[in-house]
Amino acid sequence: AQSVTQPDIHITVSEGASLELRCNYSYGATPYLFWYVQSPGQGLQLLLKYFSGDTLVQGIKGFEAEFKRSQSSFNLRKPSVHWSDAAEYFCAVGGPSGYSTLTFGKGTMLLVSP
Amino acid sequence: DTEVTQTPKHLVMGMTNKKSLKCEQHMGHRAMYWYKQKAKKPPELMFVYSYEKLSINESVPSRFSPECPNSSLLNLHLHALQPEDSALYLCASRPTGRGTEAFFGQGTRLTVV
Repeated sequence: AQSVTQPDIHITVSEGASLELRCNYSYGATPYLFWYVQSPGQGLQLLLKYFSGDTLVQGIKGFEAEFKRSQSSFNLRKPSVHWSDAAEYFCAVGGPSGYSTLTFGKGTMLLVSP
Repeated sequence: DTEVTQTPKHLVMGMTNKKSLKCEQHMGHRAMYWYKQKAKKPPELMFVYSYEKLSINESVPSRFSPECPNSSLLNLHLHALQPEDSALYLCASRPTGRGTEAFFGQGTRLTVV
């Protein structure tokens, strides 16, 4: 069975400071990993994805994530947080094709302080 | 066009009403999904359609009835809902090829009174 753990329910970061959101996954085969962001009452927007190749992936809005197979982790980072980054962040794992399902972590709420 | 469009954005319905949620995409994606999301929770998968056929039903109560009339459209018919069914309902679509991601709509905020 596939699963995702996001150990931090809330994180508060000062504007301009760096950010790291943690994600650990369990998946029986090669995982396909995603980070989505959700503003209140809105849908999910894809930040970045990892399928294969370079383990450091770049996404939109200045985010990046690093896949570490040995640690079953896919942590999200941003060097300098902006107030507009405040939102809920979901890590997800799934299979390679559109037939496969996505399993989401419980999410991490990012709060940005001035 | 890289959008998944959901209508309506908000819906209030009584427990005896019948209503439908609509989801549309024109990206040629042949896998489409319904998710239910309660406040402060992750999305929970309800149904998956693949090539217009229902491929996964995550033990959803029969008061939720999905329909995929063509490759661009996905409906969710609602009947005799309970207040606990109030949630954000998200539609998503995904290409069936390898190495692809799901695209989500903005959701329908459903309130059952």
